[in-house]
Amino acid sequence: QVQLVESGGGVVQPGRSLRLSCAASEFTFSSYDMHWVRQAPGKGLEWVAVIWSDGSNKYYADSVKGRFTISRDNSKNTLYLQMNSLRAEDTAVYSCARRSGRLDAFDIWGQGTMVTVSS
Amino acid sequence: SSELTQDPAVSVALGQTVRITCQGDSLRGYYASWYQQKPGQAPVLVIYDKTNRPSGIPDRFSGSSSGNTASLTITGAQAEDEADYYCNSRDSSGNHLVFGGGTKLTVL
Repeated sequence: QVQLVESGGGVVQPGRSLRLSCAASEFTFSSYDMHWVRQAPGKGLEWVAVIWSDGSNKYYADSVKGRFTISRDNSKNTLYLQMNSLRAEDTAVYSCARRSGRLDAFDIWGQGTMVTVSS
Repeated sequence: SSELTQDPAVSVALGQTVRITCQGDSLRGYYASWYQQKPGQAPVLVIYDKTNRPSGIPDRFSGSSSGNTASLTITGAQAEDEADYYCNSRDSSGNHLVFGGGTKLTVL
């Protein structure tokens, strides 16, 4: 079935880096803009970044701009999030989400991967 | 402004009607979508393009919009509707997305 599966989370020290992956299946990955959304423990959803379907454009939330990089490999049906200079406030569950152009909404979400930034 | 404002918590008696609102300047130019999130689960789209329901979403869920306010209405709330609800739209640039702070719905 249509699915997004994240991986790569874990515990990391402040200032270090981590790379998240999101594997897509059962849909034409290259046709969709893809996003990362995070949720800190007990908090609400926060949009993180978007990459257009062909990778031509990327946009970031101010809170991560200059530290995080979103990318994709359409030949591998995989979305990435490279996170550098991590801070304690980056601790959250990171989820990838498919944006339907027709609906202009997130129609498919992954279950998320937990990132904990702590010394 | 790129903010969307929601009431933190709302309660409704079983079978009654509840409205959850989302306010923001960007809603004058962009549609809102609404997501239901239950503990430990991924969000689920319940309303898109301000008024439309995806297949599988009960018709007790409806959406509306006026000016800078989008609303999600549940008519005849059920126990299983107890969840967090988030609105989502674009900021004024159209390239960044933003979520409201979320509304925790309690069904009494």
